[in-house]
Amino acid sequence: NAGVTQTPKFQVLKTGQSMTLQCAQDMNHEYMSWYRQDPGMGLRLIHYSVGAGITDQGEVPNGYNVSRSTTEDFPLRLLSAAPSQTSVYFCASSLQGMNSGNTIYFGEGSWLTVV
Amino acid sequence: GENVEQHPSTLSVQEGDSAVIKCTYSDSASNYFPWYKQELGKRPQLIIDIRSNVGEKKDQRIAVTLNKTAKHFSLHITETQPEDSAVYFCAASTSSASKIIFGSGTRLSIRP
Repeated sequence: NAGVTQTPKFQVLKTGQSMTLQCAQDMNHEYMSWYRQDPGMGLRLIHYSVGAGITDQGEVPNGYNVSRSTTEDFPLRLLSAAPSQTSVYFCASSLQGMNSGNTIYFGEGSWLTVV
Repeated sequence: GENVEQHPSTLSVQEGDSAVIKCTYSDSASNYFPWYKQELGKRPQLIIDIRSNVGEKKDQRIAVTLNKTAKHFSLHITETQPEDSAVYFCAASTSSASKIIFGSGTRLSIRP
């Protein structure tokens, strides 16, 4: 049981490049989400999914796409990287809804720098 | 819209003293309030949570209180130790979809 696994841990991109942050969980959780963490701003929700085939936007979705083709995987795509997307990204999962009282499990984080 | 405000942004206390972090939320339908601790370079980890039908919850040196009328909730750490140094985040569930909103974090430093 590996929990929530994120890759890569560190990445440097040039402005305009695209890339995908991978997230996988082996706990059979229905709910998965992506957050970005910037200094002094806490964790802001980018996109989330309540189950395979279902995704929705969070607080800061612009510039990012997601898909949920399987229960296990929830990749985050940066379409055309911008310096404003330099941040630490966390994937998270929960057995049921994020507001249900089930523990939210976070991945280890992905440090992304856009130059 | 949905919002969680957290204060203070930084807090320094003497080892052995107590620390209090306060949060307010805007969504009256919020019913779940977790607290997370994040050590430097690590992922956030749940330390305690409270549901809206409870006014207080305690786990060893950590306690959380909730005032639904005022939409306030607080984290109390007693007998602070060096390993309590970290960033602490409060969060509140929302009525819209299945998500929670995080506060901006409090960096707690414990002075020896």
